[in-house]
Amino acid sequence: DSGVTQTPKHLITATGQRVTLRCSPRSGDLSVYWYQQSLDQGLQFLIQYYNGEERAKGNILERFSAQQFPDLHSELNLSSLELGDSALYFCASSVGSWGNTEAFFGQGTRLTVV
Amino acid sequence: SQQGEEDPQALSIQEGENATMNCSYKTSINNLQWYRQNSGRGLVHLILIRSNEREKHSGRLRVTLDTSKKSSSLLITASRAADTASYFCATANQAGTALIFGKGTTLSVSS
Repeated sequence: DSGVTQTPKHLITATGQRVTLRCSPRSGDLSVYWYQQSLDQGLQFLIQYYNGEERAKGNILERFSAQQFPDLHSELNLSSLELGDSALYFCASSVGSWGNTEAFFGQGTRLTVV
Repeated sequence: SQQGEEDPQALSIQEGENATMNCSYKTSINNLQWYRQNSGRGLVHLILIRSNEREKHSGRLRVTLDTSKKSSSLLITASRAADTASYFCATANQAGTALIFGKGTTLSVSS
């Protein structure tokens, strides 16, 4: 158990809908990262938050947004969903900067858009 | 864009054999990390090697780093069926704030 909790584990929704994925980081970790994993694109970095502030952005679509709350949990909001958004979405956390510390991953949320 | 690229994409071996996976990256790094992912599960950190290190061991894992060639290798000795998984190398983005992963090597160990 990595200590990172993601909910829900599975989500099935229709095109055009909006969903929210939730992540609770390991106790004491200030950074939260979101990744999207699909067969064709591999593991894509979406966005990072550190202690409530956005720190880095990757290949995140404008239809996607995220935030980190004062209790350090994070939510990833996906709107106007398309079939191509079907993927595994991972949250990870670390104490500080990625560069020098390992990351702890949650078990992911499998999103299926139908 | 991908920073690290693993090679081969897929590897099939018998239990007891050694498995070697390679990773090449593009820009200078402070360190390089290797992760394992069992099918459909979250990634698990295996080892971190810093740019001033050439080799690091952890149990049956041996990682080497050649910064002049911008490459790293992960060796798993005496493989077991439980080692069946995808293996990813990861390096930090230019800002040093996020880990960028390669597409991984899928290892299959049969008994």
